[in-house]
Amino acid sequence: GAGVSQSPRYKVAKRGQDVALRCDPISGHVSLFWYQQALGQGPEFLTYFQNEAQLDKSGLPSDRFFAERPEGSVSTLKIQRTQQEDSAVYLCASSLRQGWSQPQHFGDGTRLSIL
Amino acid sequence: ELKVEQNPLFLSMQEGKNYTIYCNYSTTSDRLYWYRQDPGKSLESLFVLLSNGAVKQEGRLMASLDTKARLSTLHITAAVHDLSATYFCAVDINAGNMLTFGGGTRLMVKP
Repeated sequence: GAGVSQSPRYKVAKRGQDVALRCDPISGHVSLFWYQQALGQGPEFLTYFQNEAQLDKSGLPSDRFFAERPEGSVSTLKIQRTQQEDSAVYLCASSLRQGWSQPQHFGDGTRLSIL
Repeated sequence: ELKVEQNPLFLSMQEGKNYTIYCNYSTTSDRLYWYRQDPGKSLESLFVLLSNGAVKQEGRLMASLDTKARLSTLHITAAVHDLSATYFCAVDINAGNMLTFGGGTRLMVKP
């Protein structure tokens, strides 16, 4: 496909369970970003990859959050021992290359609900 | 810490009217982006503003950037119902790294 693809679109989990969210960026895009969007708010930065290297993870809210992009393409955001406050939409974005002032292209997001 | 503030947060307007959404940010930057988000949908890139005085127009929307005032505006001309959505501005201070978003302006255009 031409756009950023995220799966699943919806995920419901019980508190304490682990979840994994997948992102397929636009082919050829070097930079990949994860954001968390709470209801009625703007997205908040979680972490950033350039190819397979995680260059910034300053936005990850706790050590329960972990992201990887082992081959520089698909990325997975994992949340361990989920809590109710983790409920949000998780957005993935990709851009062609850092420093080129290209807009980030967003996927449709994964809506995570923790019961 | 960079703060990005939009106002108004909510805007209800009649079709055919003009209005402006404001985006203020707290740290020097010359890269600002505007996005549109429909309910349950992804963010769609509208404008990329890369220098002081930059002005971009697409249809009924026009965006501008004043880096000295740390202010961007999104002007809506003769609004139509199809423009109803939430609009976000986002600031990049690290040359292509993370974006810091404003809280969004939810626009409703009534017939």
